[in-house]
Amino acid sequence: QSALTQPRSVSGSPGQSVTISCTGTSSDVGGYNYVSWYQQHPGKAPKLMIYDVSKRPSGVPDRFSGSKSGNTASLTISGLQAEDEADYYCCSYAGSPDWVFGGGTKLTVL
Amino acid sequence: EVQLVESGGGLVQPGRSLRLSCAASGFTFDDYAMHWVRQAPGKGLEWVSGISWNSGSIGYADSVKGRFTISRDNAKNSLYLQMNSLRAEDTALYYCAKDIRSSIAARPGSFDYWGQGTLVTVSS
Repeated sequence: QSALTQPRSVSGSPGQSVTISCTGTSSDVGGYNYVSWYQQHPGKAPKLMIYDVSKRPSGVPDRFSGSKSGNTASLTISGLQAEDEADYYCCSYAGSPDWVFGGGTKLTVL
Repeated sequence: EVQLVESGGGLVQPGRSLRLSCAASGFTFDDYAMHWVRQAPGKGLEWVSGISWNSGSIGYADSVKGRFTISRDNAKNSLYLQMNSLRAEDTALYYCAKDIRSSIAARPGSFDYWGQGTLVTVSS
C-alpha cells in the first residue's frame, strides 16, 4: 500500500480556517468510510481527532471537522488557535486488514 | 485513566530479534482490538500490525509480513510484538495503540489511545 497524499505544510492566522486534504485511491479512502485524523505535537504521541470520516471523539473541540468526497478526505480546523500548531496525519482502512497513513502535514499558526 | 506502557526496545544488530511488550490498564483490555504503529526518526506514522480482541483476526503491513508476529495475553492485559530478522529500516519508535472497536476485520476502527513508544534501533 502506498502512503496517502497530504500537503507537506499549511498555515493560517489565529481565528482563520484551514483545510488539510488527504488523497488516496478506491482501495482505501474511496472504498471505506474508515478515515481518521491524528494530531501530533513534537515529542508527543499522536492524538485521535476524527474517526469514521467525520466523527469526533469526546473532548475534541467542534472546531475540528472531517469529510470525504471520492478518494479524498479532508480535515478542517476553524477558529485556529496557537495550540493547533502540530503535525496532522490522515489514516484509512485499506482492507485485508490493513491501514495506511498519509505522509503528514505540518500546520503553522502564523 | 487509560494507560499503555511499551517496553523492550533497544539497540540490536541487523538480523537479530527483539520482543516488544505493551502493558495496558484503565480499560477492559479484552473488549478491544490493539495495534502497533511505528514512526522512523523524523518521519511519518506507519501501521505495523493489529489484532482483534480474541486474536481471531490479525493483520500485518507488507513491510513486516513474515518477520513480525503480534500476540496478546488478555489475562495479563498485555500486547506483544515479536520482531525477527530485523533490518535497518525497522529503526523507529514503536507505539502501542488501542482500537476504538473490538475487531480489526468486521468493522475496522481507529486508534484512540497511544503509549509513549519504545525506540528500536537496528544497527551494527
